Amino acid sequence: DSGVTQTPKHLITATGQRVTLRCSPRSGDLSVYWYQQSLDQGLQFLIQYYNGEERAKGNILERFSAQQFPDLHSELNLSSLELGDSALYFCASTRQLDYGYTFGSGTRLTVV
Amino acid sequence: DQQVKQNSPSLSVQEGRISILNCDYTNSMFDYFLWYKKYPAEGPTFLISISSIKDKNEDGRFTVFLNKSAKHLSLHIVPSQPGDSAVYFCAAGGSGGSNYKLTFGKGTLLTVNP
Repeated sequence: DSGVTQTPKHLITATGQRVTLRCSPRSGDLSVYWYQQSLDQGLQFLIQYYNGEERAKGNILERFSAQQFPDLHSELNLSSLELGDSALYFCASTRQLDYGYTFGSGTRLTVV
Repeated sequence: DQQVKQNSPSLSVQEGRISILNCDYTNSMFDYFLWYKKYPAEGPTFLISISSIKDKNEDGRFTVFLNKSAKHLSLHIVPSQPGDSAVYFCAAGGSGGSNYKLTFGKGTLLTVNP
């Protein structure tokens, strides 16, 4: 157990639907990163939050949004889902602004 | 545009031999490099890192070499063990700003045969 908790582990949903992925960072970690891993792809950076504020954005689609709450957990919202959104979504947390990532075990999203 | 490339999707070695995993990058702003190991159904776990001011870093059986002029790094595992069988990701950071985001390669599946 890495200390980073992602729920749910698996999610199957239909095209056009909306889902919310949740991430609880390791205790004491202030920064949360979201990454997407599609089939045969590396991890693609989506968005970063630090202590409740958005810090950096990657190639995140407009249909996707995220936030970090006062208790530091984060949620990634994916709407108007398409088949191509099927992927593993990883959350990672760090204590401060550094490269000491601790990853969760991911949420596998399947859009049918 | 892939800024971090791992050109070998897979590698198979015998137990006890050396495993060499390679990674190339294109962005000269990268100044910190990491290797992660990933088992099925788990998230990536940190293995070893190197700053651009060094050309080598060792941690037990794992050594990372950095050749800045060639924009190339490699991970050496000696001796390889069956438990090392996993997907290995190369990652790079420092492409500008203070956000500490990482750019990952697609990964190399290492299989160590007993």
